[in-house]
Amino acid sequence: SQQGEEDPQALSIQEGENATMNCSYKTSINNLQWYRQNSGRGLVHLILIRSNEREKHSGRLRVTLDTSKKSSSLLITASRAADTASYFCATETNTGGFKTIFGAGTRLFVKA
Amino acid sequence: NAGVTQTPKFRVLKTGQSMTLLCAQDMNHEYMYWYRQDPGMGLRLIHYSVGEGTTAKGEVPDGYNVSRLKKQNFLLGLESAAPSQTSVYFCASIQGQGEAFFGQGTRLTVV
Repeated sequence: SQQGEEDPQALSIQEGENATMNCSYKTSINNLQWYRQNSGRGLVHLILIRSNEREKHSGRLRVTLDTSKKSSSLLITASRAADTASYFCATETNTGGFKTIFGAGTRLFVKA
Repeated sequence: NAGVTQTPKFRVLKTGQSMTLLCAQDMNHEYMYWYRQDPGMGLRLIHYSVGEGTTAKGEVPDGYNVSRLKKQNFLLGLESAAPSQTSVYFCASIQGQGEAFFGQGTRLTVV
């Protein structure tokens, strides 16, 4: 089973609203990362949070990590139509070998 | 600086044919990965490599083989393609505990 599971699977909001996506994982991690994918394209790295960090900011992005609950959230503030994309969390783990595992993603649609 | 380059970008195969996908990175990264992405789904790890000459199985390795003879190249092979292998394949490289850099993907259709 996949390490990361995003919630919700899909999210539709109005421009200017905030969007929150959640990610849960199963095993211990070195770090957790969020990526964005525009339709049919490669993934672009957004932000990385290490296992000893609890919160991180980058522009309009805010990521939190709760290792006790094995969960993370990505908040996009003041969303724009251009934020429409799929967002994936990825966990880097040493469990069973050093690797990076992705979740199924949240599809965000921001209406202008 | 090209980053991660995948070739080819598109390919149509007949069932039973073989092919090799090439991933090349120019960032001197140790770790390289092959993922597949099916419609509406996330990326599933096929095989990965933590250094030149090493490979390991990921989540969905069956039907694929890989080789990492040179640090900058990671090859993914399909020995006998099946329709279930129709997918978009992404390669990524990582320098360890950092962000993954992705290629633009290879869209493979097996008929």
